[in-house]
Amino acid sequence: GENVEQHPSTLSVQEGDSAVIKCTYSDSASNYFPWYKQELGKGPQLIIDIRSNVGEKKDQRIAVTLNKTAKHFSLHITETQPEDSAVYFCAASIAGGSYIPTFGRGTSLIVHP
Amino acid sequence: NAGVTQTPKFQVLKTGQSMTLQCAQDMNHNSMYWYRQDPGMGLRLIYYSASEGTTDKGEVPNGYNVSRLNKREFSLRLESAAPSQTSVYFCASSPGTGGYEQYFGPGTRLTVT
Repeated sequence: GENVEQHPSTLSVQEGDSAVIKCTYSDSASNYFPWYKQELGKGPQLIIDIRSNVGEKKDQRIAVTLNKTAKHFSLHITETQPEDSAVYFCAASIAGGSYIPTFGRGTSLIVHP
Repeated sequence: NAGVTQTPKFQVLKTGQSMTLQCAQDMNHNSMYWYRQDPGMGLRLIYYSASEGTTDKGEVPNGYNVSRLNKREFSLRLESAAPSQTSVYFCASSPGTGGYEQYFGPGTRLTVT
């Protein structure tokens, strides 16, 4: 089955810096890659996703890049703010059929004011 | 539109007691999931229901049972609680299994003493 590795497990940055979280996956058939943000005491919520037919997707200060050849994808957050502090999860799945998403173990992002 | 709701929010059980965690979604989604979240372990899938009338084991099903009561509701039962089941439990739903955003509930924090 699919295996998703996520790094780093903890990331500490100063407000205004950029943050990058990386994930690798093992199943070359995976073609849907969502990122979730989990604030303290809440359930995860989708912030951005990418499908394998594109290499990059942006939404304001966040972006995701995908390298299908190397089987890795990354979340980029620019101009970080204290409210970006949260746990971020990546996931991989195959669109269509009964392919349950596989999650990475999460990255705790801390943005210091 | 409440999304995914879970009850209870908190629960303390003694070893050997039983309980049922309730989950409901109002988005007419076909697929529903139960995850547990433990520090450093990410989100681990316990059981899922790809569609009404079906249930399947996930990564960590031992000690749990589920019931897909109807399209809206998916419950998780602990027949004889153990301290190892102390965790935060999340229910999620999605239109289908692979290739879709998952919507998570707010979670149930369970402590087994």
